[in-house]
Amino acid sequence: GDSVTQMEGPVTLSEEAFLTINCTYTATGYPSLFWYVQYPGEGLQLLLKATKADDKGSNKGFEATYRKETTSFHLEKGSVQVSDSAVYFCALRAFYGGSQGNLIFGKGTKLSVKP
Amino acid sequence: GAGVSQSPSNKVTEKGKDVELRCDPISGHTALYWYRQSLGQGLEFLIYFQGNSAPDKSGLPSDRFSAERTGGSVSTLTIQRTQQEDSAVYLCASSQAPTTGGRETQYFGPGTRLLVL
Repeated sequence: GDSVTQMEGPVTLSEEAFLTINCTYTATGYPSLFWYVQYPGEGLQLLLKATKADDKGSNKGFEATYRKETTSFHLEKGSVQVSDSAVYFCALRAFYGGSQGNLIFGKGTKLSVKP
Repeated sequence: GAGVSQSPSNKVTEKGKDVELRCDPISGHTALYWYRQSLGQGLEFLIYFQGNSAPDKSGLPSDRFSAERTGGSVSTLTIQRTQQEDSAVYLCASSQAPTTGGRETQYFGPGTRLLVL
């Protein structure tokens, strides 16, 4: 079945460091890909998404490109801030035969940014 | 309301008791999903409603779990005879009706934190 694998954390960075969180997926069809973020004490929020191959999602300085050839959707940010400290979830969503369009999540990566 | 709301925000219950968790989706969203977030299992899909169609219950972990959606809007997740392993955060999400490719964004509520003693 469909699945998502993302790098395990926790990840600790200094402010202004470069961030990459790797995410790869397995899907039988053509899913949409998402990054959700969960800030401490808050609910899941959509960070960005891409709905087809070579699309780039971006928001708040974060970017991820839908790479069909490598089945990847790595999250990047050029300069992290303390306020980026959160848990990041990579997810896919498909809606084709046998699938009901639920999100399939990776395990989450906890990011801590130190001043 | 502007977003997905859930109640209660926290629930503590004793093993063996029944609990009901409520979700109020974004107005106009026909698709509604329940997920469970626990330390050991991460985020798991539980059940899906689309409009007035029969729900997809394929993610429910046991027959102690059930859910209904009245009038295509508010949904209630019921856990009967709760067990300690049911302790988790229960999340509800809603979206526009999914289309091929699943590009519609799911918006999540704040969750209900359930603790079974």
